Amino acid sequence: DQQVKQNSPSLSVQEGRISILNCDYTNSMFDYFLWYKKYPAEGPTFLISISSIKDKNEDGRFTVFLNKSAKHLSLHIVPSQPGDSAVYFCAARATNFGNEKLTFGTGTRLTIIP
Amino acid sequence: ETGVTQTPRHLVMGMTNKKSLKCEQHLGHNAMYWYKQSAKKPLELMFVYNFKEQTENNSVPSRFSPECPNSSHLFLHLHTLQPEDSALYLCASSQAGPSGGNQETQYFGPGTRLLVL
Repeated sequence: DQQVKQNSPSLSVQEGRISILNCDYTNSMFDYFLWYKKYPAEGPTFLISISSIKDKNEDGRFTVFLNKSAKHLSLHIVPSQPGDSAVYFCAARATNFGNEKLTFGTGTRLTIIP
Repeated sequence: ETGVTQTPRHLVMGMTNKKSLKCEQHLGHNAMYWYKQSAKKPLELMFVYNFKEQTENNSVPSRFSPECPNSSHLFLHLHTLQPEDSALYLCASSQAGPSGGNQETQYFGPGTRLLVL
């Protein structure tokens, strides 16, 4: 059973518009969430994270929102740029137990249309 | 070099071969990980090493054998693999906390694309 789900395998967005990537989780013990970005032939690179004590974290064009009651988080990219075209992975961790294990979603391929 | 490096980047092997994947991190971290990424599946954690000690083995078949000689190097020894083991194998590193728990982000290498014939 997948504990972290990214239900949209792909998403296309016009350059300059907002990209919204979604992620749902089932394990209520998760309290730290991360987004990774992956280009072809490269490993995932860390993008942004959020602790469960917050509901929003912003870093430049990237904002992550967390809705704990709905067990849902989303990544907003605005404005979207062609270089944002990549696969985005959502990951979650239960850090309170000293557990370094990250549980990943299957990824969403974002394509920014010029 | 900086970051996390992996060699080889691509590997083709027969089911009777023995090969090793190598990972090296230049970030001063003390925790290292092996992940497997198969097509259309989430990244699957295989092994975790904290301070050179294996702390997690995620029910990985014995045909995969990890080795961590020091906190900067991690190997994955492969023998008698199956075609379904073909995947992208990713190494990552992070800084583990004093109690062994990891509060830090994991940094990934570029991966080794493995094809088993």
